[in-house]
Amino acid sequence: GQNIDQPTEMTATEGAIVQINCTYQTSGFNGLFWYQQHAGEAPTFLSYNVLDGLEEKGRFSSFLSRSKGYSYLLLKELQMKDSASYLCAVRGAGNMLTFGGGTRLMVKP
Amino acid sequence: DSGVTQTPKHLITATGQRVTLRCSPRSGDLSVYWYQQSLDQGLQFLIQYYNGEERAKGNILERFSAQQFPDLHSELNLSSLELGDSALYFCASSSPNSPLHFGNGTRLTVT
Repeated sequence: GQNIDQPTEMTATEGAIVQINCTYQTSGFNGLFWYQQHAGEAPTFLSYNVLDGLEEKGRFSSFLSRSKGYSYLLLKELQMKDSASYLCAVRGAGNMLTFGGGTRLMVKP
Repeated sequence: DSGVTQTPKHLITATGQRVTLRCSPRSGDLSVYWYQQSLDQGLQFLIQYYNGEERAKGNILERFSAQQFPDLHSELNLSSLELGDSALYFCASSSPNSPLHFGNGTRLTVT
């Protein structure tokens, strides 16, 4: 089975940097994904890590440590439109993607 | 636009009824996934199909069933509906080793 933990809520200030952590336990590992979801809308793909290290994509970066079962999503130069839920998901055996409960990020002026 | 199409967008029905949700995957994607998201809850995996065959099953109730057709579109059937089945139902599709791309969801309201 899989167990994925991430904080329920976070608050940050516009222009700042925020780090959203995710820890996981899985019986098989074929990659870790981060998605952004605005309320009532579809999740949209942000990043993918399958090897240890940092993947950078514009204002967003994601880090993975497979030995520690740990990932984080780093958001720089926060904008109001970044207020959303951020979902950590682990792909285990059989290509199945299991999601954590999501972190609701509120960006304040 | 993710390329994944879900219909209908909204569905309102009464308890005890049966509904069918439809999903067309992105062109070229053989895998289809169904997820349920209740209000302010996370995405709960229901079921996955690959090229017409069931690949993985999550927390899907016996009242729910799904299938994937030869043209790769998929349907999720929900029967004997209860108030607690009210949720957003998302379909997603993918190719091997690629991210899942989600449709816009079907919002089901059971009254």
